[in-house]
Amino acid sequence: DGGITQSPKYLFRKEGQNVTLSCEQNLNHDAMYWYRQDPGQGLRLIYYSQIVNDFQKGDIAEGYSVSREKKESFPLTVTSAQKNPTAFYLCASSIVGGYSNQPQHFGDGTRLSIL
Amino acid sequence: EDKVVQSPLSLVVHEGDTVTLNCSYEVTNFRSLLWYKQEKKAPTFLFMLTSSGIEKKSGRLSSILDKKELFSILNITATQTGDSAVYLCAVEDMRGGSEKLVFGKGTKLTVNP
Repeated sequence: DGGITQSPKYLFRKEGQNVTLSCEQNLNHDAMYWYRQDPGQGLRLIYYSQIVNDFQKGDIAEGYSVSREKKESFPLTVTSAQKNPTAFYLCASSIVGGYSNQPQHFGDGTRLSIL
Repeated sequence: EDKVVQSPLSLVVHEGDTVTLNCSYEVTNFRSLLWYKQEKKAPTFLFMLTSSGIEKKSGRLSSILDKKELFSILNITATQTGDSAVYLCAVEDMRGGSEKLVFGKGTKLTVNP
């Protein structure tokens, strides 16, 4: 089955701690994205990557970091500099380039809370 | 600044009613508009619209785009309790050559039996 796998489903962070959220896809998609969703809000873009070893900041990148060492994987680290990390985090992927007319597909999300 | 505005933010209807959800946008380099349905977890894709005036249909759901007036509507006829969800509108912005989605806040639809 092709899809996007996010883990863990639930994560708790202590003060001053960095935590890493995993996102893996087997759709052979070039592009991967991380979004944050707060209650009553739409999705806001944190980081995105259109090719291995390259990534760009989205609208709310402060306090987060990413890496893209493999096409299939795009982990997100929530650092201690992110003062309000409690949110639902969604990873997505898509085909890139030209007029592919293919939508982004989403994982099931990770819910992060502060201890 | 790019923005996507959905209305209403919340809607409660009875089974069998027809609903219309609205999405207006201001995006610099528009490529497409997408509708997603989000229940508890992952948003699931409904429609992608690129051309004005062409209705897309899937069962009881349909959607249309007006690129002159910069809006889209999502219609659901004969609503069922399973249609209860948050419906997200997103616009694909090609600014800077990157394919990014700008999301609205969503419309929370509750269908009561």
